[in-house]
Amino acid sequence: DAGVTQSPTHLIKTRGQHVTLRCSPISGHKSVSWYQQVLGQGPQFIFQYYEKEERGRGNFPDRFSARQFPNYSSELNVNALLLGDSALYLCASSFRINPASGGSNEQFFGPGTRLTVL
Amino acid sequence: DQQVKQNSPSLSVQEGRISILNCDYTNSMFDYFLWYKKYPAEGPTFLISISSIKDKNEDGRFTVFLNKSAKHLSLHIVPSQPGDSAVYFCAAGTYKYIFGTGTRLKVLA
Repeated sequence: DAGVTQSPTHLIKTRGQHVTLRCSPISGHKSVSWYQQVLGQGPQFIFQYYEKEERGRGNFPDRFSARQFPNYSSELNVNALLLGDSALYLCASSFRINPASGGSNEQFFGPGTRLTVL
Repeated sequence: DQQVKQNSPSLSVQEGRISILNCDYTNSMFDYFLWYKKYPAEGPTFLISISSIKDKNEDGRFTVFLNKSAKHLSLHIVPSQPGDSAVYFCAAGTYKYIFGTGTRLKVLA
């Protein structure tokens, strides 16, 4: 059974460009979350989508946007890239979003996309 | 303002001994806690979780303890193995998880 997949694995862009990162969740999972991890820090929450709707947003500028498709895959878009956007972008999938609705809420991560902005 | 803290950036343990990784949080509304292991150039790998209604969860060599009154959780690895050497992150939240900065564990053979 395939885990979370992300593409591309590596990407090099220049300042001012835009980028689209893609994620396919584990089969049967309906929620996708995006995180940014810079060196020496833990992952920072960017977005969560569940059933194609945005359910949560972290403290990131409007240059960051995302969407989820009917097949539950997701895209993260970043416009007007800055040097500080260089990071590992992680996608995580989970079956549901609220453990209060029953069951667990573990998030399973993909391998990430390493974005370098020059 | 760091809501989830891992105050030990690194830890070295002899093979076969117990590894104890600690995590503190500030938000009493957090109701679900996760531990991840991360190797370089890979995404975090889920290890074990605990919900706020429990104080202990065990899975093989891994046990997570939660002390809600102290807002503290810990991960115990017994016995530690060289393959456990990695960076360990704790995460707390509900659907949106806040991660600590990680603890680098080195298990010495």
